Amino acid sequence: EPEVTQTPSHQVTQMGQEVILRCVPISNHLYFYWYRQILGQKVEFLVSFYNNEISEKSEIFDDQFSVERPDGSNFTLKIRSTKLEDSAMYFCASSRSRDRGDIQYFGAGTRLSVL
Amino acid sequence: DAKTTQPNSMESNEEEPVHLPCNHSTISGTDYIHWYRQLPSQGPEYVIHGLTSNVNNRMASLAIAEDRKSSTLILHRATLRDAAVYYCILITSGTYKYIFGTGTRLKVLA
Repeated sequence: EPEVTQTPSHQVTQMGQEVILRCVPISNHLYFYWYRQILGQKVEFLVSFYNNEISEKSEIFDDQFSVERPDGSNFTLKIRSTKLEDSAMYFCASSRSRDRGDIQYFGAGTRLSVL
Repeated sequence: DAKTTQPNSMESNEEEPVHLPCNHSTISGTDYIHWYRQLPSQGPEYVIHGLTSNVNNRMASLAIAEDRKSSTLILHRATLRDAAVYYCILITSGTYKYIFGTGTRLKVLA
C-alpha cells in the first residue's frame, strides 16, 4: 500500500538554527499538509498546500515557517530559527483531492527536539 | 470549526466488540464524519468515514444517527493492536484541515 514517507525520524537542533523536515507524499496525490503534535497534546493543523501555493494556514504557521515542493516528489517544512517550543512531532499528510469524502494519509512523523 | 465530543478513555476486553461514541450536535448537512486512530508513536491512521448512511470496511463499522448529531465507531473484535487514541473529525466544506480533538484512548485488556 502506498505511504507517506518522512525523514528524518528524529531531528535534534540547537535553538536558533534552521531545520528542514522532509516528506515524500503519495505519488498521485495533489494536496499536501503539515501538522504538529507537542508531546501529550492534540494534533494541530499547520498548513495545506496545493499547486505550489499555500491553501490554508493556521495561526501557528507564522513567518518562521515555510513550505516548499522543490521537485516532483518532495514536500518540505522549514523552520527558520527554531525555538524551544517548536519541539514536537511533525506529521506530513497528503490527499488526492480536497473532496470532503477524500482521505488524508499521514506519515509516521519527524520528532524535532530543540535544545 | 465544527466540534466533536468524545469520552476521554474506554476499556475493552480482547476479542469483544467496542463501541466508541462521538457527539457532533453542531454538524451541518454537508459535513463528513471521519474517524482516525493514532497508535503509540505513530501518525494518525485512517479508519473509516461517512456522510449519512452506515458504513463498513475491513477495519470497522460506522453507525451514524438519523439526525447525524452523533456517530459510533464499532470495532467488531478488539485486538491488542487496536489500543490507540481514536479521533472523530468533521470535515467541513471550504476547508482542507483536520481539527483533532483529544480523542478517546482505547485500552484493550488481554
